[in-house]
Amino acid sequence: ELKVEQNPLFLSMQEGKNYTIYCNYSTTSDRLYWYRQDPGKSLESLFVLLSNGAVKQEGRLMASLDTKARLSTLHITAAVHDLSATYFCAGDRGSTLGRLYFGRGTQLTVWP
Amino acid sequence: NAGVTQTPKFRILKIGQSMTLQCTQDMNHNYMYWYRQDPGMGLKLIYYSVGAGITDKGEVPNGYNVSRSTTEDFPLRLELAAPSQTSVYFCASGGQGTFSEQFFGPGTRLTVL
Repeated sequence: ELKVEQNPLFLSMQEGKNYTIYCNYSTTSDRLYWYRQDPGKSLESLFVLLSNGAVKQEGRLMASLDTKARLSTLHITAAVHDLSATYFCAGDRGSTLGRLYFGRGTQLTVWP
Repeated sequence: NAGVTQTPKFRILKIGQSMTLQCTQDMNHNYMYWYRQDPGMGLKLIYYSVGAGITDKGEVPNGYNVSRSTTEDFPLRLELAAPSQTSVYFCASGGQGTFSEQFFGPGTRLTVL
């Protein structure tokens, strides 16, 4: 089983500030996924990180993967209110079956 | 192209009742999954399927059954509902290969009283 730990679990930040969400995982996971979930909604795929050193950016969000450290980060730049949501990371143990193991999620609130 | 659809959206069951959660995808994906999400937690895999006629258990399969007779449909059956099965259930589908990602349905919110 792959254990995935995120921190922090709750994050309250002011608009315009930067912050990083951390995702550690316990065993080999060559692929790391980031999802966004709005309250009462489904999960929306943000990033799929496929290899060590992978970095992907979309708008104010940037995700990276360090497979040697078993660490992925989601960096938020100049936060805006619309980024308020819960962010999940998930790993798949490197298998092709797509069985995902999720972290508990980071609930992000961006205030003016 | 509707993606992944689930029915019903909400359901209240009494202890001991049974029900089937429906999931359909129109993306011709071979892989389909059922997850449950408890409050404040991440998703946990219940069952998955790699193609019609092939299913296997995930992390938390007890109390559930699945079948996969077609590529499009992957229903989840709850037998003898228990309060511990109160959760939000998500169905997902994905393609094969390194670059595949999973697409999630809107979810079914189930309460067992």
